[in-house]
Amino acid sequence: GENVEQHPSTLSVQEGDSAVIKCTYSDSASNYFPWYKQELGKRPQLIIDIRSNVGEKKDQRIAVTLNKTAKHFSLHITETQPEDSAVYFCAALGFNSGYALNFGKGTSLLVTP
Amino acid sequence: DAGITQSPRYKITETGRQVTLMCHQTWSHSYMFWYRQDLGHGLRLIYYSAAADITDKGEVPDGYVVSRSKTENFPLTLESATRSQTSVYFCASRQGNNSPLHFGNGTRLTVT
Repeated sequence: GENVEQHPSTLSVQEGDSAVIKCTYSDSASNYFPWYKQELGKRPQLIIDIRSNVGEKKDQRIAVTLNKTAKHFSLHITETQPEDSAVYFCAALGFNSGYALNFGKGTSLLVTP
Repeated sequence: DAGITQSPRYKITETGRQVTLMCHQTWSHSYMFWYRQDLGHGLRLIYYSAAADITDKGEVPDGYVVSRSKTENFPLTLESATRSQTSVYFCASRQGNNSPLHFGNGTRLTVT
């Protein structure tokens, strides 16, 4: 099945700085790559996703880039704010993974004022 | 999202007991999933279902049983609970292969 690696596992930034989280995947058939944000004690919530026919997607302060050749994708958060502090998960879906999303192990992001 | 609900929110059970976690969605989504979340492991897939009466194993299915007699319900049963099954369990659903995945609020299960 799909194997998704996510780095770093923890990330601390100053408010206003940028944060970058990177993921790699193994299934070359993967065609959908969402990112989820999970606050403490709450469910994961989708913040942005990208499909394999697109190289980059932006939504206000967050952006995702995809490199299909290298099989990696990244989440970029600019002008970070304390409310961005959470655990972020990347995921990948491919035909070889039974139509299920396979998640990375998560990145705990701390934004300090 | 209010469209997918899990019950109970919290459950404490003893080793060896059978326990069922419930999941109900009101969107008529075809696909439903059960994940468990543990520190250091992220979200791991237990079972999934592509439609009523169709289920398949995920990454960590041992010790769990699922059924899907109706599209809207996808219960997860621990046949004989073990301490290693202490975890937070999330049910999720989506309509199609590339559609967003929506999570329930989760069930925190403690096996003593």
